[in-house]
Amino acid sequence: DAGVTQSPTHLIKTRGQQVTLRCSPKSGHDTVSWYQQALGQGPQFIFQYYEEEERQRGNFPDRFSGHQFPNYSSELNVNALLLGDSALYLCASSLANGLGYDEQYFGPGTRLTVT
Amino acid sequence: AQSVTQLGSHVSVSEGALVLLRCNYSSSVPPYLFWYVQYPNQGLQLLLKYTSAATLVKGINGFEAEFKKSETSFHLTKPSAHMSDAAEYFCAVSRQWGAQKLVFGQGTRLTINP
Repeated sequence: DAGVTQSPTHLIKTRGQQVTLRCSPKSGHDTVSWYQQALGQGPQFIFQYYEEEERQRGNFPDRFSGHQFPNYSSELNVNALLLGDSALYLCASSLANGLGYDEQYFGPGTRLTVT
Repeated sequence: AQSVTQLGSHVSVSEGALVLLRCNYSSSVPPYLFWYVQYPNQGLQLLLKYTSAATLVKGINGFEAEFKKSETSFHLTKPSAHMSDAAEYFCAVSRQWGAQKLVFGQGTRLTINP
């Protein structure tokens, strides 16, 4: 049973460019959340996707956008990259079971460096 | 709004000694609480979770945590540290029900001395 997978593992971009990160959820999961972890910090919630719609969003600018596909996989897009966007981007998947608690399983992350 | 404060960005203990990592939370609604571990260049692994059942929660690798509502705390302990416990530990809170974003603390780096 494959866990959460993310691609690419590492990425180097230049300021002003655009980037797309990808996530495949754990088998059987239908919800994907994205987090940004700056160096030496705890992860910060970007947004969550369920049924192909953004269900909740954290305090991130509109430069950060996402998408969820019918197979539950997801993409995170960041436009007009800034140096401050350099971070580890974590994807987490869960199953919306309606029981009040959805355990989130994390992928290994994509390390984005903006130069 | 919810928040988490982890007291001590670095904790160092000797192998075989007690591990105590502190976490205090703030939540306007009944919380769920979590401890995650992160090894270098890896994602997060769930150690244990409190979801309003037993207040003393046992997790993987010999870790446990106690939910104390009166103290708004959820400290992580392990009776005897092992070298393999060296990692970054994060406490997180989420609301019960609805879209459950995790709000993380700043993390505590645990070092184990031989």
